Order: sequence, then structure tokens, then C-alpha cells
Amino acid sequence: EPEVTQTPSHQVTQMGQEVILRCVPISNHLYFYWYRQILGQKVEFLVSFYNNEISEKSEIFDDQFSVERPDGSNFTLKIRSTKLEDSAMYFCAGSNSWTGLGEKLFFGSGTQLSVL
Amino acid sequence: GQQVMQIPQYQHVQEGEDFTTYCNSSTTLSNIQWYKQRPGGHPVFLIQLVKSGEVKKQKRLTFQFGEAKKNSSLHITATQTTDVGTYFCAGPSSGYSTLTFGKGTMLLVSP
Repeated sequence: EPEVTQTPSHQVTQMGQEVILRCVPISNHLYFYWYRQILGQKVEFLVSFYNNEISEKSEIFDDQFSVERPDGSNFTLKIRSTKLEDSAMYFCAGSNSWTGLGEKLFFGSGTQLSVL
Repeated sequence: GQQVMQIPQYQHVQEGEDFTTYCNSSTTLSNIQWYKQRPGGHPVFLIQLVKSGEVKKQKRLTFQFGEAKKNSSLHITATQTTDVGTYFCAGPSSGYSTLTFGKGTMLLVSP
């Protein structure tokens, strides 16, 4: 079965540093998402992306966050100046249509971000 | 905003016992999805329910969607150690492109 690939699997960074989390979605997906999960807590929506534009974003997704699909295959999440509270597992996901309309999400294996 | 609540937060059963997790939404849902996350893993889609009162089965797993489409349940019959993980329900948020996840129910199964 096709998979969503995320790199790196773990990222340790100093507070205030920039990080870029990378994702390669399933090739026929057109709708992309970033979710995050703080240890032991629920999966939280960050942003949805379609046709090279952000469709929706949550309150968590402030000016420090940005997303990009630079080359038609990779999908990246950038955190410009990391804070301690950004420490979490970040999941990339994709779907065949909007998940709010009933399409299932295919999640990547995640990037564990630790901000020191 | 919309809230999705799940109970219990945690359940520890002996292998062979049954397990049920309940999901309640503050708003009527057009559909509800269930995901399973193994320890250290990522959420994996299990099923989607769309119709009021719908019941779907996957082997030992039975999923129900309430008549009012505001609640749902997942029942596992005769649990096995492979059922260990956290089970999340998720419903569409006010926007069309997002899912709101419940906090999940962590299931531990002792052999």
C-alpha cells in the first residue's frame, strides 16, 4: 500500500531556531494536511493545503508557521523560530478529497520535534 | 467551536474481555471516522460512518453511529493483544477540510 513518508523521524533543535519538516505524500493525493500530537494527547489540526494554497488553518498555525509544496512532490512545514511548546509529534497527512467531506486521512509516520 | 469527547480515557482489560469506547460531539456530524494508533505509531483509518443509526462490523470490531448523529461507539469483542493502542474518533470541523479528533481511548490488553 502507498505510504506517506516523513523526514526526519526525529529532530532536536534549540529554542529560536528554524526547523523544516518534510513530507512526501502519496502520489495521487491532492489534499494535504499537517497535524500535531503532544505526547499522550489528541491529534490537533494545524493546516490544510490544496492547489498550492492554504485552505484552512487553526489558531496554532500562527505567523511562525508556513507550508510549502516546492516541487510538486514534497510538502514542507517550516517553523521559523521554535518555542518550547512546539515540542510534539508532527504528522503529515493526505487525502483524495476534503476530509471534512468524508475522505479518510492517510498519515505519515511523523516527525518527533524536541525543542530545548 | 466543535468539541469531540471520548470516554474512557484509558482501559486495561484481560485478553478475551470486551471493550467499548464512546464518542460524543457537541454538534451534529455529517460523518464520523475512527482511527487506531498503535504505541509509537501514527493514526490509521479504521472506518467511516455516515448514516443515522448505522452499524458496521469489521471482524471483532463493531462501530455504531447514533440516531441523532452526535455520538458513536466502537466495541471490540474478545480483545486480543494486537488490539492494543489508542482509538480516536474524529468528525468534520466547521470548515470542510479539517477533522476534529477526540482525545482518544488508550486500550491495554494483558495476556
